[in-house]
Amino acid sequence: GAGVSQSPSNKVTEKGKDVELRCDPISGHTALYWYRQSLGQGLEFLIYFQGNSAPDKSGLPSDRFSAERTGGSVSTLTIQRTQQEDSAVYLCASSLTSDRAFAFFGQGTRLTVV
Amino acid sequence: AQSVSQHNHHVILSEAASLELGCNYSYGGTVNLFWYVQYPGQHLQLLLKYFSGDPLVKGIKGFEAEFIKSKFSFNLRKPSVQWSDTAEYFCAVNAPSGNTPLVFGKGTRLSVIA
Repeated sequence: GAGVSQSPSNKVTEKGKDVELRCDPISGHTALYWYRQSLGQGLEFLIYFQGNSAPDKSGLPSDRFSAERTGGSVSTLTIQRTQQEDSAVYLCASSLTSDRAFAFFGQGTRLTVV
Repeated sequence: AQSVSQHNHHVILSEAASLELGCNYSYGGTVNLFWYVQYPGQHLQLLLKYFSGDPLVKGIKGFEAEFIKSKFSFNLRKPSVQWSDTAEYFCAVNAPSGNTPLVFGKGTRLSVIA
């Protein structure tokens, strides 16, 4: 596609349920990022996929959070046993692999845990 | 690890006023620097970027930023703001190697009043 696509755009879930958020990066982009945006907290880095390298998971807030990237393209962020503090906008971005690349962002998934 | 500080959380300006948003980063090596903007209801988009060369970079919509290596700063400026510049502005940094994720500051909300 022309841009980074995320689905769903909005998700309301009950506390304790698992959720999956999807990201389709721009075709050919080997780097993919997940961020969480909360009011007053800016963009919190979650995880970074770069080509075939092991992902940088240093930003994942707990073991309830995990992410996969299949075939070097689509990525899924999974949050298990959701808590109210997980409510936020989850943003995905992708970029080329070069020392002068910059990231393109999707519209985000707004997650509300009730 | 890299970190980014944006000292202004919310800036309110009248139209035609000059703007300067502060950004300081913490990283000992060579860096790529970015400013992203998020207009209300829209996704993050790149405003300008610095990779190397002239430390004064110009972006879209009349924005510019100056990289001062000795101060680890990359402040954003615009000589005369417009109401349409109302948005949230994020400074970001990564290393040119491509092996480090893009790290963002907490953002500065700019409100331009008529």
